[in-house]
Amino acid sequence: DAKTTQPPSMDCAEGRAANLPCNHSTISGNEYVYWYRQIHSQGPQYIIHGLKNNETNEMASLIITEDRKSSTLILPHATLRDTAVYYCIVRVAYNFNKFYFGSGTKLNVKP
Amino acid sequence: EAGVAQSPRYKIIEKRQSVAFWCNPISGHATLYWYQQILGQGPKLLIQFQNNGVVDDSQLPKDRFSAERLKGVDSTLKIQPAKLEDSAVYLCASSLVSDTQYFGPGTRLTVL
Repeated sequence: DAKTTQPPSMDCAEGRAANLPCNHSTISGNEYVYWYRQIHSQGPQYIIHGLKNNETNEMASLIITEDRKSSTLILPHATLRDTAVYYCIVRVAYNFNKFYFGSGTKLNVKP
Repeated sequence: EAGVAQSPRYKIIEKRQSVAFWCNPISGHATLYWYQQILGQGPKLLIQFQNNGVVDDSQLPKDRFSAERLKGVDSTLKIQPAKLEDSAVYLCASSLVSDTQYFGPGTRLTVL
């Protein structure tokens, strides 16, 4: 599985969009990009995943660059409850490769 | 839909004692995972089951850790004997096959 690089921490003002970057320059053609988040003292929570097209759901949007070497998770209107560690993971779906969780990005949403 | 259940939520033991954790996955999920998360780090996969068979246990310290998934549903993870460095949160996750994983709340283990 490809490794990912994320900034260790980011700040965002409440109500503003939070844009969390992830570099995955060695991603393979059949590897998906997954995003999870972990709020303090809870298990990781699935947010979204995609292969090459941009994806949107009720929680967030995922923008993947055309060369697939990087992606951005967008929380359109961040709230204090979005304060968490966000993990970007790349893996082949529907096989038994591991999810490698790096250290993630600690997003601090401030009032 | 009920989520992944884990118990206990917290456990404190002395080193060299044994401890067991229980996980009940989401109904119908064939794949079950146990992760260890040390403070300040991301979760690390310990073992992965497909139904009641082991798919990957390459990072499980087999001299002290064991896990089973009888009947392909519930699972238990055991540590015997525990060491100080086993202090961590133990997370259970499940997925339909090997796709999106859904995590339980975890068990926080403190070894004194």
